[in-house]
Amino acid sequence: QVQLQQSGAELAKPGSSVKISCKASGYTFTSYYISWIKQTTGQGLEYIGYINTGSGGTNYNEKFKGKATLTVDKSSSTAFMQLSSLTPDDSAVYYCARVMTDWGQGVMVTVSS
Amino acid sequence: DIQMTQSPSSLPASLGDRVTITCRASQDIGNYLRWFQQKPGKSPRLMIYGATNLAAGVPSRFSGSRSGSDYSLTINSLESEDMAIYYCLQHNEYPYTFGAGTKLELK
Repeated sequence: QVQLQQSGAELAKPGSSVKISCKASGYTFTSYYISWIKQTTGQGLEYIGYINTGSGGTNYNEKFKGKATLTVDKSSSTAFMQLSSLTPDDSAVYYCARVMTDWGQGVMVTVSS
Repeated sequence: DIQMTQSPSSLPASLGDRVTITCRASQDIGNYLRWFQQKPGKSPRLMIYGATNLAAGVPSRFSGSRSGSDYSLTINSLESEDMAIYYCLQHNEYPYTFGAGTKLELK
């Protein structure tokens, strides 16, 4: 069955970066885009963007340009999202999802000094 | 960006009730509308895709419908396991956008 296994919780300092992963199994990795979604109590669910796992092409929500960088490692069927110049507003749970159907378990990122 | 206006934000209901949650799209999204269920500490679960199609493994008491730019999720004969937050998602145009969520809770 399709599984998306995300990396563990992150505690980061303001101004730093984190890179979270999403390892896929149970299907042909390069056949489906991986999207990333941010969830906070205040803003709800926000779409960050997607990566074409075959070509590496990306599409970002304007709001997250410069904040999120999506990459992929086809050899390990893993997608990555790097979040840079972190502020407390970046504290959230981040999900990866396969074509908005199957979701990872989420990664809690906490930004605090 | 396309705005998805979801209502109500909170929905108290009793077991066995029939309940309906609605999302209104600010632009035409065709049938590119999905409904998700989310329980505390869990990731969203796809319930309805293509506005009206039941996702795999979803009980038949769930259904989706469309009337113009209004999309509805209906749950017939509410069960305790249905208590959750429900979100709509439009995926017709990037960036995809979600409704603000409806918290379904026991009255």
